[in-house]
Amino acid sequence: GAVVSQHPSRVICKSGTSVKIECRSLDFQATTMFWYRQFPKQSLMLMATSNEGSKATYEQGVEKDKFLINHASLTLSTLTVTSAHPEDSSFYICSARRQGIDTQYFGPGTRLTVL
Amino acid sequence: AQSVTQLGSHVSVSEGALVLLRCNYSSSVPPYLFWYVQYPNQGLQLLLKYTSAATLVKGINGFEAEFKKSETSFHLTKPSAHMSDAAEYFCAVSVGGAGGTSYGKLTFGQGTILTVHP
Repeated sequence: GAVVSQHPSRVICKSGTSVKIECRSLDFQATTMFWYRQFPKQSLMLMATSNEGSKATYEQGVEKDKFLINHASLTLSTLTVTSAHPEDSSFYICSARRQGIDTQYFGPGTRLTVL
Repeated sequence: AQSVTQLGSHVSVSEGALVLLRCNYSSSVPPYLFWYVQYPNQGLQLLLKYTSAATLVKGINGFEAEFKKSETSFHLTKPSAHMSDAAEYFCAVSVGGAGGTSYGKLTFGQGTILTVHP
């Protein structure tokens, strides 16, 4: 149990376009989902915390108008990178947590390349 | 606020040798501690977690870690390394308990790349 999927696994886009990444908890209801960004050879940096039915909480330095997060259901959260630029190229990883459980289960990640 | 320091960005061992990956934490409240493993171009897989129960925690793939409050450490060990253990390992801390704005947020260490030689 506790499987989290992400789609797409890899995306290449042109500068200025928007990209949507989906994160799904396949076999449990996730009241909270987290979005991370990982640059090459670096650790994961939390971008935002997403609670179902409410606005996401962004970490300091993360532009909420650029990284739009929607958590419309207990099994789906989406991250939209708006007007993507090459510096947004990164590995984006989501995680999901069940209510009352202190463990995050991670998705396989999405590799975003902006040309 | 909490933080994690992983000592050694790279660790190299021979197959069959002891694996020891070091992690020290800082937290103003009792921490929950985790070890995750990441294979190339993949997400993170939970190895084990400490959530204020037994201080010696056993995880998957033969790994274990011991919570030592006096040393603020949570080192990861495995008695005998396998080639398949080669990956990057992340120690993480979160604030558990009843909730609050920091509830469940993970702070990761910088990661340790484990190389296993034949």
